[in-house]
Amino acid sequence: NADVMQNPRHLVRRRGQEARLRCSPMKGHSHVYWYRQLPEEGLKFMVYLQKENIIDESGMPKERFSAEFPKEGPSILRIQQVVRGDSAAYFCASSPPEGTYGYTFGSGTRLTVV
Amino acid sequence: DQQVKQNSPSLSVQEGRISILNCDYTNSMFDYFLWYKKYPAEGPTFLISISSIKDKNEDGRFTVFLNKSAKHLSLHIVPSQPGDSAVYFCAAKTGGGNKLTFGTGTQLKVEL
Repeated sequence: NADVMQNPRHLVRRRGQEARLRCSPMKGHSHVYWYRQLPEEGLKFMVYLQKENIIDESGMPKERFSAEFPKEGPSILRIQQVVRGDSAAYFCASSPPEGTYGYTFGSGTRLTVV
Repeated sequence: DQQVKQNSPSLSVQEGRISILNCDYTNSMFDYFLWYKKYPAEGPTFLISISSIKDKNEDGRFTVFLNKSAKHLSLHIVPSQPGDSAVYFCAAKTGGGNKLTFGTGTQLKVEL
């Protein structure tokens, strides 16, 4: 999992602050996916991005959440005005252009909103 | 709407015995299924997958069985080892799609 780098590993934010989660995909991977795992639940798809394009954001909450994957640099998941319900583990995964048969996941960012 | 269900939150098995983890799905459009293993504080790791055109896929100690008519799949681990203790997630996708739908996971504990 270390080949998909997520940082920070742990993030604590007060209600109303912004959270920025970063993901650097594996070398050669141009597809990035973000998933969220709430306590006692499975992983829920949030968004699928390719470089400079959002391909599928059907799992993103309509407000406060945004994602980008710029031409240079990591993918960013941004949560504005965080609330306690945003506390979760956020996992990024990447895959090569030719398919998604078994993503490679990062180790996740554990967001705690206090 | 839980389209992929893992009804057993936990399973305890003795070392050397077979572990059987089950998964049911409701969406008949799913045509590719995957199992992931997850240790605490780590991301999920891909284990094994199966296409809907098959009913069995084997990789070492891991075998996945698919029963399309019952919309059921299972992961068999034999023999089970203490290092297999982890949470196992079943996931599914539709053809051409890139989005995985996960179950809620089963915590496997392999005891000595």
